[in-house]
Amino acid sequence: GENVEQHPSTLSVQEGDSAVIKCTYSDSASNYFPWYKQELGKRPQLIIDIRSNVGEKKDQRIAVTLNKTAKHFSLHITETQPEDSAVYFCAASEDSNYQLIWGAGTKLIIKP
Amino acid sequence: DVKVTQSSRYLVKRTGEKVFLECVQDMDHENMFWYRQDPGLGLRLIYFSYDVKMKEKGDIPEGYSVSREKKERFSLILESASTNQTSMYLCASRRTGELFFGEGSRLTVL
Repeated sequence: GENVEQHPSTLSVQEGDSAVIKCTYSDSASNYFPWYKQELGKRPQLIIDIRSNVGEKKDQRIAVTLNKTAKHFSLHITETQPEDSAVYFCAASEDSNYQLIWGAGTKLIIKP
Repeated sequence: DVKVTQSSRYLVKRTGEKVFLECVQDMDHENMFWYRQDPGLGLRLIYFSYDVKMKEKGDIPEGYSVSREKKERFSLILESASTNQTSMYLCASRRTGELFFGEGSRLTVL
């Protein structure tokens, strides 16, 4: 069946450095790729999403890139700050109203 | 603000007990979901509902059932709780696109 692989499972970066989380999907029909952030003890929240007609999308320090040929997409966080510490989940689906296939999550640790 | 409220943050139940997890959303969303979250396994879909009285199985429905009698309320039922159902349960709702999650219900089955 369809699946989404997410790497790494844990990422530790120095405050101020950049962090990159990568996801690979198997279903070539996937066209919608959201990223959710879950801070410790809190609910997951959408931070950015991208559709297949776009190769890159930015929102301040966060960007997502998509390579449809290779079937992978990545989350980039620049100038990391302590509040970026969280678990990040990627997901994929054919459409934003379809069921999401989730990655296993990446725990991002920002070292002071 | 969209609000998705789960009735219990923490529950401790015994094996064989019937467990009800309640979820209420206040944004008139058609779609509601129940996920299970375990470390290293991400979010796994148990059941979802596109409308009142409708329900569809997700990836791991075994041992669970659901009820959606009103649009705003989606209940997850464990008919006979087992220790392997110890987990964090997340409810979510959606109209289109973004999922809005509740705070989660951490269930421990002894």
